[in-house]
Amino acid sequence: ETGVTQTPRHLVMGMTNKKSLKCEQHLGHNAMYWYKQSAKKPLELMFVYSLEERVENNSVPSRFSPECPNSSHLFLHLHTLQPEDSALYLCASSQERGAYEQYFGPGTRLTVT
Amino acid sequence: GENVEQHPSTLSVQEGDSAVIKCTYSDSASNYFPWYKQELGKGPQLIIDIRSNVGEKKDQRIAVTLNKTAKHFSLHITETQPEDSAVYFCAAFRSGGYQKVTFGTGTKLQVIP
Repeated sequence: ETGVTQTPRHLVMGMTNKKSLKCEQHLGHNAMYWYKQSAKKPLELMFVYSLEERVENNSVPSRFSPECPNSSHLFLHLHTLQPEDSALYLCASSQERGAYEQYFGPGTRLTVT
Repeated sequence: GENVEQHPSTLSVQEGDSAVIKCTYSDSASNYFPWYKQELGKGPQLIIDIRSNVGEKKDQRIAVTLNKTAKHFSLHITETQPEDSAVYFCAAFRSGGYQKVTFGTGTKLQVIP
């Protein structure tokens, strides 16, 4: 295991639901990331947190809302999603924001109905 | 912005043969090039990486080469084994004021016993 856990592993939600994805890293890292992985598309970096401060938001719709209460935990709050938001959402962490080596969690498979 | 192209999208090889996956990038400021292996139901795992000041790096059966002039880098797997079957992703990172990363679209490698 990589030291990065994600829950739930699978999630089915309707377009009017509100749900949250959770990520926890046990590596003592200071930077955490959310990625979206869709079929036949490159991984897309969504958000970057460094020492609990959001440092990047790559034009992600406001229906995705990240939260980083401490350097070990990262959440992605979801509301009023669209079917095209169905994807694998991956969390990753690295020692520092500028550190290249990232450790990924197993992902949450999200299906929006 | 950066564009990373990865080929082939699928690759089948006989066990024991070599496999080569190629990526090209467009941003000459990119300076770190990792390769990830993603098995079914798991997140991407870093298997080898190379920085822009190095032309080649090897780790047992896997190697990566980088041609900065041509802006392409390749993953080489020798003596392939069935457990090498997975999806492989390349990526190009650029550090500086903020970190920028672009991933390739992935190569599904199948090693036939």
